[in-house]
Amino acid sequence: AQSVTQPDIHITVSEGASLELRCNYSYGATPYLFWYVQSPGQGLQLLLKYFSGDTLVQGIKGFEAEFKRSQSSFNLRKPSVHWSDAAEYFCAVMTTDSWGKLQFGAGTQVVVTP
Amino acid sequence: DAGVTQSPTHLIKTRGQQVTLRCSPKSGHDTVSWYQQALGQGPQFIFQYYEEEERQRGNFPDRFSGHQFPNYSSELNVNALLLGDSALYLCASSLGQGFGYFGAGTRLSVL
Repeated sequence: AQSVTQPDIHITVSEGASLELRCNYSYGATPYLFWYVQSPGQGLQLLLKYFSGDTLVQGIKGFEAEFKRSQSSFNLRKPSVHWSDAAEYFCAVMTTDSWGKLQFGAGTQVVVTP
Repeated sequence: DAGVTQSPTHLIKTRGQQVTLRCSPKSGHDTVSWYQQALGQGPQFIFQYYEEEERQRGNFPDRFSGHQFPNYSSELNVNALLLGDSALYLCASSLGQGFGYFGAGTRLSVL
């Protein structure tokens, strides 16, 4: 069955430290991959997306993600987190046979400590 | 340039009632998708409207229906509300049937 897995439900990180959020997918072909962020009481904001080409993708707010086909992963990273990065992060996939339909992981809650 | 706007922001209903949620897409966008996000979960795709027709549908019962108007705005209707319908309902708009830019959502509470 097709699935998107975010193994970490909750991550606590110190301000200024690096952050890595994991995302694994299970699909027959390479899907289109996304990371969204949701602040409390807000909708979803697109951080970055991967369709093809360079497997290291740069996004907004200093985030980047790397697509690794061999590991079916699309992990999100930030070298130095800011208190404003505290939010919930969702990985999502879309396939050509269901174009426009995003399938989301369960999310990872990020807490930033001083 | 306004982004995706949803109304109302919050809504309280009782079981068995019907509810209508509204979405205005980002300027220049012609496709609207609806998602349900239960507490502590990722959004789940309900359906997508393009050219005033439902183009894709997720695993939601027929109690969930929608409409798209000629100006591309959209409504989500839910009949015979259940307690389990309590959630944040998100609207996403796009140009063509691609990925979406999301609104802030409507929080529905069913009592």
